[in-house]
Amino acid sequence: DGGITQSPKYLFRKEGQNVTLSCEQNLNHDAMYWYRQDPGQGLRLIYYSQIVNDFQKGDIAEGYSVSREKKESFPLTVTSAQKNPTAFYLCASSMGDRSTDTQYFGPGTRLTVL
Amino acid sequence: AQKVTQAQTEISVVEKEDVTLDCVYETRDTTYYLFWYKQPPSGELVFLIRRNSFDEQNEISGRYSWNFQKSTSSFNFTITASQVVDSAVYFCALSVSWGGGADGLTFGKGTHLIIQP
Repeated sequence: DGGITQSPKYLFRKEGQNVTLSCEQNLNHDAMYWYRQDPGQGLRLIYYSQIVNDFQKGDIAEGYSVSREKKESFPLTVTSAQKNPTAFYLCASSMGDRSTDTQYFGPGTRLTVL
Repeated sequence: AQKVTQAQTEISVVEKEDVTLDCVYETRDTTYYLFWYKQPPSGELVFLIRRNSFDEQNEISGRYSWNFQKSTSSFNFTITASQVVDSAVYFCALSVSWGGGADGLTFGKGTHLIIQP
């Protein structure tokens, strides 16, 4: 079955620690994205990548870092510099073709900072 | 900059009623794409529809229908004969074309739809 997987589903972190969220897709999509969702809010774009070894900052990139070494994988690191990291994190992917592009989402990771 | 407004924070209706979710968008681009996603309690966003700015035809898919009006910058979503399984948060989103390539979506804050049995 093709799809997007995110792990873990729930993640707890102590203040001051970095943590990495996993996102893998087997849809052969070129583009991948990370969004953050806070309670009662819409999704906000953190980072996106259109091709391997290239990525762009979104609206709220401060305190986050990403890498795109493989087409299938786009891990997100939440660093200690992120002031309010507790949130629901969603990864998405798309073909990357402007004329037909639609983003499909993974199940999300809920991060709680203790 | 783009903006999407979903003024209805929460709507509660009784099963079998029709319900319309409003979406108003702002963009200076002439080419753009509008989306609706459903987020059930599990959290995963489920894609419902994509519409480009050149296609103002209304769309119907089963009990779901969408009304796109460029004159009012609106892309409203109607559920006919609502069911309890329709209970979820619904998001409207916007993407613009900057000459090619994929970029992120601008989301509204969502409308929490509650269908009571």
